[in-house]
Amino acid sequence: SQTIHQWPATLVQPVGSPLSLECTVEGTSNPNLYWYRQAAGRGLQLLFYSVGIGQISSEVPQNLSASRPQDRQFILSSKKLLLSDSGFYLCAWSSGDTNEKLFFGSGTQLSVL
Amino acid sequence: KQEVTQIPAALSVPEGENLVLNCSFTDSAIYNLQWFRQDPGKGLTSLLLIQSSQREQTSGRLNASLDKSSGRSTLYIAASQPGDSATYLCASLPAEGAQKLVFGQGTRLTINP
Repeated sequence: SQTIHQWPATLVQPVGSPLSLECTVEGTSNPNLYWYRQAAGRGLQLLFYSVGIGQISSEVPQNLSASRPQDRQFILSSKKLLLSDSGFYLCAWSSGDTNEKLFFGSGTQLSVL
Repeated sequence: KQEVTQIPAALSVPEGENLVLNCSFTDSAIYNLQWFRQDPGKGLTSLLLIQSSQREQTSGRLNASLDKSSGRSTLYIAASQPGDSATYLCASLPAEGAQKLVFGQGTRLTINP
């Protein structure tokens, strides 16, 4: 069966520090991968998605970046965090079929202080 | 640009009641519509997916309907239980710009014992 792992679960970082969040999927190949952010009291915002290794599409211009170094690994990074980067970050995957479900990781609560 | 709206933002009902959660979307050209459940501080769990050619899907006490012509979907929960308390989000996959789900902001449901 397919599983998605996302870590860490919580993270407290000072403003200006770097960020690296990692997500891996098991039990499937060539998944579509996504990073979402959920700010307090707001809906889910799609940040990045990837349909293959090295293929990254950015939805929102900001100081975050994403990389997909391996087929089932998706990394969210920042060189210098801002206060506004605080939020709940969710990784997700789908099979790529337009009528397949989206499966989410357990999320990372990021607090930038 | 697709917009998804969920009203009300919060709903509180006594245990045992049947209830309906509403979701509306502005563009009827969609591939599918999905309903998710999110517990506090957790990721999203997929509940039901309705393909554009379908009118409803059922899973246990849950029934989701889709009316593309009116741009509406509903999630019916029968015989509600305290364990159903969570935030419920709907999301549509537009036919244009595929692979990018558009989420509503969710309805926070509380079932009172």
